[in-house]
Amino acid sequence: GQNIDQPTEMTATEGAIVQINCTYQTSGFNGLFWYQQHAGEAPTFLSYNVLDGLEEKGRFSSFLSRSKGYSYLLLKELQMKDSASYLCAVRDPNTGNQFYFGTGTSLTVIP
Amino acid sequence: DGGITQSPKYLFRKEGQNVTLSCEQNLNHDAMYWYRQDPGQGLRLIYYSQIVNDFQKGDIAEGYSVSREKKESFPLTVTSAQKNPTAFYLCASRDGPTTEAFFGQGTRLTVV
Repeated sequence: GQNIDQPTEMTATEGAIVQINCTYQTSGFNGLFWYQQHAGEAPTFLSYNVLDGLEEKGRFSSFLSRSKGYSYLLLKELQMKDSASYLCAVRDPNTGNQFYFGTGTSLTVIP
Repeated sequence: DGGITQSPKYLFRKEGQNVTLSCEQNLNHDAMYWYRQDPGQGLRLIYYSQIVNDFQKGDIAEGYSVSREKKESFPLTVTSAQKNPTAFYLCASRDGPTTEAFFGQGTRLTVV
């Protein structure tokens, strides 16, 4: 079956850097996605990796190692508004390009 | 502006009643998805459709039904057979096979 694992909760300080890890085991792989979701709202797309390496987008970066089934989302210069849930999702071409989501990591940024 | 619209935002249903959640997109996307989100369980796929007049069951399809008569619309019916329907329901769409999914604002369904 498909398995996506993330830590449940993390806390970090405003201005700091935080790394949110995601490990996955899926029958196939066609990209790993990170979404941000504030409570009661829709997930919004943050980043996408399909090849190994680091993708940088402003304060957010995402890394992928396909051989290890591992990704991380790096958030720099944390702001209070970054307090949210961060969802890791893998797209599997063997099941019609479905997205399989982890349970999400709830990040709390403290002053 | 292009986007995905879900309605209503909040919905209350009495036990034993069917209810239909609306999802409309004007992004011209082929694929559409319905997810259910419960606390601590992430997003679970209910149904998905890759083209008009075709749809497939996801991991938790029991007690739900869908239709895809138009490219823009993918309504979800929560039937009385769904044992625990209270949840946050999210609709999403995707363009090509290499793109991300775009989400609607969600419908919070509460059974009273």
